[in-house]
Amino acid sequence: AQKVTQAQTEISVVEKEDVTLDCVYETRDTTYYLFWYKQPPSGELVFLIRRNSFDEQNEISGRYSWNFQKSTSSFNFTITASQVVDSAVYFCALSEEVGGGATNKLIFGTGTLLAVQP
Amino acid sequence: NAGVTQTPKFQVLKTGQSMTLQCAQDMNHEYMSWYRQDPGMGLRLIHYSVGAGITDQGEVPNGYNVSRSTTEDFPLRLLSAAPSQTSVYFCASSTEDFLTDTQYFGPGTRLTVL
Repeated sequence: AQKVTQAQTEISVVEKEDVTLDCVYETRDTTYYLFWYKQPPSGELVFLIRRNSFDEQNEISGRYSWNFQKSTSSFNFTITASQVVDSAVYFCALSEEVGGGATNKLIFGTGTLLAVQP
Repeated sequence: NAGVTQTPKFQVLKTGQSMTLQCAQDMNHEYMSWYRQDPGMGLRLIHYSVGAGITDQGEVPNGYNVSRSTTEDFPLRLLSAAPSQTSVYFCASSTEDFLTDTQYFGPGTRLTVL
């Protein structure tokens, strides 16, 4: 069965530190998609990135970067030079494949609460 | 363009009461979903729909009903509320090409069942 594990429940860092949020997934599908979402204290869910199983290239977007490794079934998220505004809960998610195609059925990890102290 | 809207934002129910959480989107999205978020458990899929007239169960469907009579609306019905249904509920929508398009989430409804 599909599963997403975010072993880090809470992380606290001081501003300007780099921080990596871990995500490990399990799936039997050969085609799948991985996502990261941010949930700030205001509660809404903000889409950050989507990655498909055939694209193992790392991605960088400003201070954010993602490392996808199929060999270890991991999709880790790094924030460089963290800022107080990065404080949020971050969710990793996996899309479930149905009938040979990916779907909008997302399986979420339990989230990592990141607290960035000034 | 309001995106995904949910009403109400907050609701308190007594055990056994029924109610409907409303979700609407004005982006002509085919795909809509309902998730619940509980502390320490992430978001779990309740029901989803791939188009008007088509719905299916997610991971935790018991105690909830849905229907999709229009593309725009996807209401979630609690038939007989239980304290275990105290949660934050999120509605989401996306196009059929959700893997190249963003899945949009509503602002959430915080439900407390006493």
